[in-house]
Amino acid sequence: EAQVTQNPRYLITVTGKKLTVTCSQNMNHEYMSWYRQDPGLGLRQIYYSMNVEVTDKGDVPEGYKVSRKEKRNFPLILESPSPNQTSLYFCASSLAVWDTWNTGELFFGEGSRLTVL
Amino acid sequence: AQKVTQAQTEISVVEKEDVTLDCVYETRDTTYYLFWYKQPPSGELVFLIRRNSFDEQNEISGRYSWNFQKSTSSFNFTITASQVVDSAVYFCALSEAVGANSKLTFGKGITLSVRP
Repeated sequence: EAQVTQNPRYLITVTGKKLTVTCSQNMNHEYMSWYRQDPGLGLRQIYYSMNVEVTDKGDVPEGYKVSRKEKRNFPLILESPSPNQTSLYFCASSLAVWDTWNTGELFFGEGSRLTVL
Repeated sequence: AQKVTQAQTEISVVEKEDVTLDCVYETRDTTYYLFWYKQPPSGELVFLIRRNSFDEQNEISGRYSWNFQKSTSSFNFTITASQVVDSAVYFCALSEAVGANSKLTFGKGITLSVRP
């Protein structure tokens, strides 16, 4: 089954304790991205990657790191989490370039709800 | 910079009513792509449609239809004869990258509640 898998789905942590949210896709997609969803703000892009070893900042990258060492994995790293990073996080993947035959659909993971105390 | 505005934050309708969700976008590019995604109460995000800037044809898919008007920079979504299962948050999104998702900007979403 084609899917994007995020772990953990739920996490409560404390300020300053490094954490990693993993993301893995099995569709051989080149493109992967992280979004955070906050009430009243919609989905905002944190980082994205067009392919292995190629990453770029989205709209809200501060306080986050990513890496893309393998095509299927795109972990999100919070080196020193703070309460303002409490949010619902989504990983997504898609083909990097579209043509007539694909929609450019983003496939999303189920989300990771992170609470930083 | 690209921007997507969904001015309606919450809409409540009674089942079988028609409802239109508005989306207005801003971009300097002549080639761009517009999307609608649905987020039901279960939380997952579901792709509904992509529309290319060079294709102004409206689209209908069952009870769903989309009205793309470049003259007003709008890409509105209409649900005909709404059902309780249509209750969700709906996001409009814009990509300026040619045929790629690299810079995809979402609107803030519209929460649609359909009452029986």
